[in-house]
Amino acid sequence: GENVEQHPSTLSVQEGDSAVIKCTYSDSASNYFPWYKQELGKRPQLIIDIRSNVGEKKDQRIAVTLNKTAKHFSLHITETQPEDSAVYFCAASMPRDNYGQNFVFGPGTRLSVLP
Amino acid sequence: ETGVTQTPRHLVMGMTNKKSLKCEQHLGHNAMYWYKQSAKKPLELMFVYNFKEQTENNSVPSRFSPECPNSSHLFLHLHTLQPEDSALYLCASSPRTGGSSYNEQFFGPGTRLTVL
Repeated sequence: GENVEQHPSTLSVQEGDSAVIKCTYSDSASNYFPWYKQELGKRPQLIIDIRSNVGEKKDQRIAVTLNKTAKHFSLHITETQPEDSAVYFCAASMPRDNYGQNFVFGPGTRLSVLP
Repeated sequence: ETGVTQTPRHLVMGMTNKKSLKCEQHLGHNAMYWYKQSAKKPLELMFVYNFKEQTENNSVPSRFSPECPNSSHLFLHLHTLQPEDSALYLCASSPRTGGSSYNEQFFGPGTRLTVL
């Protein structure tokens, strides 16, 4: 089955600096890669996603890159702000005909943005 | 609010108790999921239901029994749990039906379960 690894497990950056979180996956059939942000005491929420037919996607201060050959994808946050502090989860998914969608999540990265 | 609600928000139970967790989504989605979140395994998929049919059971012990009476409601029945089952149980839904589309999962707020 699919296995997703995520690094680093914790990350501290100064406000205004950039943060990069990297994930690798094992199943080459996975073709959808979302990123979720979970603030303390709150539910995970989707912040950006990328399909396997795209190499990069950007939404304001956040971007995701995908390297299908190497089976890794990364989250980039620029100009970090204190409200970016949270746990970030990457996931790999492979839609299955008539069977819905199965997600395998990485172990998470705790990002702290220091003022 | 994401349109996915869970009750109760907190639950404390003994190992011999029987309790149920409830999830309801008001988004018109067709797929619903149960996840277990703990320090050991941050987001662990337990069950997937697609159009009320269970399509995934990730080797979950039988002391956890899911039920999906319709596409809007999902239950997790608990009996004879162990202290290591203490965790946050998250429900999610997505509009995923069939075919090769991709869909965001919307999570509920979770039920914090403590097994004594």
